[in-house]
Amino acid sequence: SQQGEEDPQALSIQEGENATMNCSYKTSINNLQWYRQNSGRGLVHLILIRSNEREKHSGRLRVTLDTSKKSSSLLITASRAADTASYFCGGNEKLTFGTGTRLTIIP
Amino acid sequence: DTGVSQDPRHKITKRGQNVTFRCDPISEHNRLYWYRQTLGQGPEFLTYFQNEAQLEKSRLLSDRFSAERPKGSFSTLEIQRTEQGDSAMYLCASSTSGAGEQFFGPGTRLTVL
Repeated sequence: SQQGEEDPQALSIQEGENATMNCSYKTSINNLQWYRQNSGRGLVHLILIRSNEREKHSGRLRVTLDTSKKSSSLLITASRAADTASYFCGGNEKLTFGTGTRLTIIP
Repeated sequence: DTGVSQDPRHKITKRGQNVTFRCDPISEHNRLYWYRQTLGQGPEFLTYFQNEAQLEKSRLLSDRFSAERPKGSFSTLEIQRTEQGDSAMYLCASSTSGAGEQFFGPGTRLTVL
């Protein structure tokens, strides 16, 4: 498994602002994935970036991957109240997540 | 609904009892995963199947835990002689091999009294 560690642990921003969270990992990966979890619910897949990709976009999401630094970042643009959730990253097949970034969007 | 389903959604049991959870994956998915999540933590990988074969078990999965996927479709996770430390959300996910993206169910929340 490839453990991801998310940073910061918590982030509060005003609605409409952009939110950036980071992920670091220790060993090589084939892909890195970001998931969102609303309180008490299962995880929802957001985006997958492969090891040979450096940047990927999906709607308001932008993910970057730097394999030399073993890090990834997730940018959510024009945040909405519905983006309030915990965000996790994990790599490869057997996802192992850190404690996540708890994002709060203030209306 | 063609998503991953889990049953029951909530289970309260007394210490020492056995419990069994069921997961129904998305029908065409050949991989099925079990995770455990405690409050304030991210999900921890427990085990996964490709079709009916259990390919890996985490060292977190003690002897009291057993998972099956007998026909390569639904899976069960059984915990014997439950302990208070087993209280957690148990999440199931499925995927097609090589695709990467996992689809998670809503989870089964276990409370051991």
